[in-house]
Amino acid sequence: EADIYQTPRYLVIGTGKKITLECSQTMGHDKMYWYQQDPGMELHLIHYSYGVNSTEKGDLSSESTVSRIRTEHFPLTLESARPSHTSQYLCASSEWGRTEAFFGQGTRLTVV
Amino acid sequence: DAKTTQPNSMESNEEEPVHLPCNHSTISGTDYIHWYRQLPSQGPEYVIHGLTSNVNNRMASLAIAEDRKSSTLILHRATLRDAAVYYCILKRGSTLGRLYFGRGTQLTVWP
Repeated sequence: EADIYQTPRYLVIGTGKKITLECSQTMGHDKMYWYQQDPGMELHLIHYSYGVNSTEKGDLSSESTVSRIRTEHFPLTLESARPSHTSQYLCASSEWGRTEAFFGQGTRLTVV
Repeated sequence: DAKTTQPNSMESNEEEPVHLPCNHSTISGTDYIHWYRQLPSQGPEYVIHGLTSNVNNRMASLAIAEDRKSSTLILHRATLRDAAVYYCILKRGSTLGRLYFGRGTQLTVWP
């Protein structure tokens, strides 16, 4: 059973609002990732981290930012939400030397 | 990173075996073959992975062609809970945990 949690599961918010999507894992994994997925489409990596104070941009350009102040916590922030940010955001983590990645249940974001 | 090709969809009846194919003709020697699945309204879930030899675990079996240009995920007895999108992914051994997802195969299981 994976111990990685995302909150909220669903979020509907107005244009221009600042939002933070939370992701926490209790497995002590150093590597964490954020993926973005539109309905019926592939997942795209938008951010990743290899440990505390390490953050990198992924393959898909995103206006979001991330931080990694604690090993277990990897929040994603949108300073000013827009309808184009409407999507599902999935957080994942994995352990050094292990190939298996664990995913959270995702946050489905709708910006109106 | 090398790409994979999978059928868009497949169907099976409950309790029958399912063979999900994946082509990866540009695979390199250090690429591991991974399979994940995504149930409706869930995040992806690891299923199995291998490099050259066939692999078995409690969820499935992975059959890898001798030339490694294709592989097949085998669900021995499909259940309704196996209905999901199945992703075949190549992960370079030196790549630090990054997974590149395609659109996968939507598996429908009929009762």
